[in-house]
Amino acid sequence: DAKTTQPPSMDCAEGRAANLPCNHSTISGNEYVYWYRQIHSQGPQYIIHGLKNNETNEMASLIITEDRKSSTLILPHATLRDTAVYYCIVRVSGTSGSRLTFGEGTQLTVNP
Amino acid sequence: DAGITQSPRHKVTETGTPVTLRCHQTENHRYMYWYRQDPGHGLRLIHYSYGVKDTDKGEVSDGYSVSRSKTEDFLLTLESATSSQTSVYFCAISLRTSGSYEQYFGPGTRLTVT
Repeated sequence: DAKTTQPPSMDCAEGRAANLPCNHSTISGNEYVYWYRQIHSQGPQYIIHGLKNNETNEMASLIITEDRKSSTLILPHATLRDTAVYYCIVRVSGTSGSRLTFGEGTQLTVNP
Repeated sequence: DAGITQSPRHKVTETGTPVTLRCHQTENHRYMYWYRQDPGHGLRLIHYSYGVKDTDKGEVSDGYSVSRSKTEDFLLTLESATSSQTSVYFCAISLRTSGSYEQYFGPGTRLTVT
């Protein structure tokens, strides 16, 4: 799996957009970018994934650069409940039997 | 919500006793997983299942066994609990969408081995 690099922590004001970066410079052509988050004491939560096109769902938007070497998760209007550790993971498609490898992630703190 | 429940949610047990954790899902997903999470180690896969009676080992399977006799239940057994197995255990299912696989996690079981 391609290695990912994320900043250890970020702060964001409530109501503003939170932009969480992830570098994955060794990503290969068949690897998807996944984002999960983990709120304290809860199980990880799937947010969004993408291959090469930008994606949007009810939770967030995912922007992947054209060379696919980095991506940004955007929470358009962050709330206090979005305070969590956010994980960027790169996985090959069709590997359902394989583990997800969570790195250190980014601790996002949304401030009132 | 992928309809995943775990039981018990909290358990304290003594070293040497067997312990079974249960993961239950309501939506007939084929793939199920057991992870453990410890400070400094992130999430590590213990075992996973790709169907009834079909299971395989993950990266930290020693001291654990699993069983899946029906689609909805995936059991994790600590054959003889040790203090190093004190951890938070998460069950997950895998949902396939457009060629990739999303995983959805249960609420976790906090196990303490004294």
